[in-house]
Amino acid sequence: ETGVTQTPRHLVMGMTNKKSLKCEQHLGHNAMYWYKQSAKKPLELMFVYSLEERVENNSVPSRFSPECPNSSHLFLHLHTLQPEDSALYLCASSRGTGGYEQYFGPGTRLTVT
Amino acid sequence: TQLLEQSPQFLSIQEGENLTVYCNSSSVFSSLQWYRQEPGEGPVLLVTVVTGGEVKKLKRLTFQFGDARKDSSLHITAAQPGDTGLYLCAGASANDYKLSFGAGTTVTVRA
Repeated sequence: ETGVTQTPRHLVMGMTNKKSLKCEQHLGHNAMYWYKQSAKKPLELMFVYSLEERVENNSVPSRFSPECPNSSHLFLHLHTLQPEDSALYLCASSRGTGGYEQYFGPGTRLTVT
Repeated sequence: TQLLEQSPQFLSIQEGENLTVYCNSSSVFSSLQWYRQEPGEGPVLLVTVVTGGEVKKLKRLTFQFGDARKDSSLHITAAQPGDTGLYLCAGASANDYKLSFGAGTTVTVRA
């Protein structure tokens, strides 16, 4: 069991749709992350939450809106996306921020049409 | 953001052969982590190296951290099809709260 779950696993949406990605961690960790993974590019860190407080907003467009209601749950709300936003979106958690090992979910494969 | 370069970008070998992938940077890291990502899944942590010159072995996988803590290598002995995947290195710095990831090496082991 990975300890970090993500839903949905696959999502196809039009540019005018609104959808949300969900992440849940069962590891008792204090930090949670959203990453974007595109082909042939390093993982792009989008958002970091530590103890439910956002500590990073890495110049991410406002069409991506994160929400962290508690230390076990993380959401990524999507609206008016562009085709170039199509990618694998990975959630991760760790005991704390910094050099702690990160535990990843299986990702949501997003396609924007 | 500290840049980590991984090489080669792609590697395709026959079952039973050995392979080495590299992770290099001009920056010093307090620790370095290696992950493997299989198709359709998220990365899974393989190992963390902390001390310069450290060597860690995980069955047929050998990880080495450079003496200056700027580079690392992963060597696989007698590769098997189950070793197929994207290998990612990630560096942690004392002054940064996030990891820096390399772009990864895609390894394919043919049966």
